[in-house]
Amino acid sequence: GAGVSQSPSNKVTEKGKDVELRCDPISGHTALYWYRQSLGQGLEFLIYFQGNSAPDKSGLPSDRFSAERTGGSVSTLTIQRTQQEDSAVYLCASSLEGLINEKLFFGSGTQLSVL
Amino acid sequence: GNSVTQMEGPVTLSEEAFLTINCTYTATGYPSLFWYVQYPGEGLQLLLKATKADDKGSNKGFEATYRKETTSFHLEKGSVQVSDSAVYFCALTPAGYNFGNEKLTFGTGTRLTIIP
Repeated sequence: GAGVSQSPSNKVTEKGKDVELRCDPISGHTALYWYRQSLGQGLEFLIYFQGNSAPDKSGLPSDRFSAERTGGSVSTLTIQRTQQEDSAVYLCASSLEGLINEKLFFGSGTQLSVL
Repeated sequence: GNSVTQMEGPVTLSEEAFLTINCTYTATGYPSLFWYVQYPGEGLQLLLKATKADDKGSNKGFEATYRKETTSFHLEKGSVQVSDSAVYFCALTPAGYNFGNEKLTFGTGTRLTIIP
């Protein structure tokens, strides 16, 4: 596609349920990032994938969060047993080679609301 | 650790006014500095960047100068337009490059509204 695509754009779930958020990066981009933006907070780094290397998971806030990237393209961020504090906008970004090129292309995000 | 502090918003200006959005950072060495912008209904996109001290990034009439002595990267525009209404994010990446340094650290964002 022309840009980074995320789905769903909005997700409302009940506390304790699991959710999956999807990201389709720009075709050919080897680097993929997940960030989240909570109300009144800056963008918080979650996880980074680069090619076939092991992902940098250092930003994941708890073991309820996990992400995978299949075939070096589509990525899924999974949040298990959601909590109200997980409510945020989850942003995915991709770039051609990682920040060597210093330009990330962001999707429009998934607004997650945990009731 | 690394951090970015931005001017709190929201900021409301009249068209053709002068704009400054302050940004200061905390980091070791010489990080790369960025301004990203998010227009209504769109994803974040890179506005400008600077990778070394005294560099000036510029794009779409916006400018920001990397000031090592004041650890600042303030965003300026001489005459704003209604179409500049957006949320602006200051960000940095750590000095040097190796795997693990790719994380952008963002500020909280400043919402700018320009009224005709």
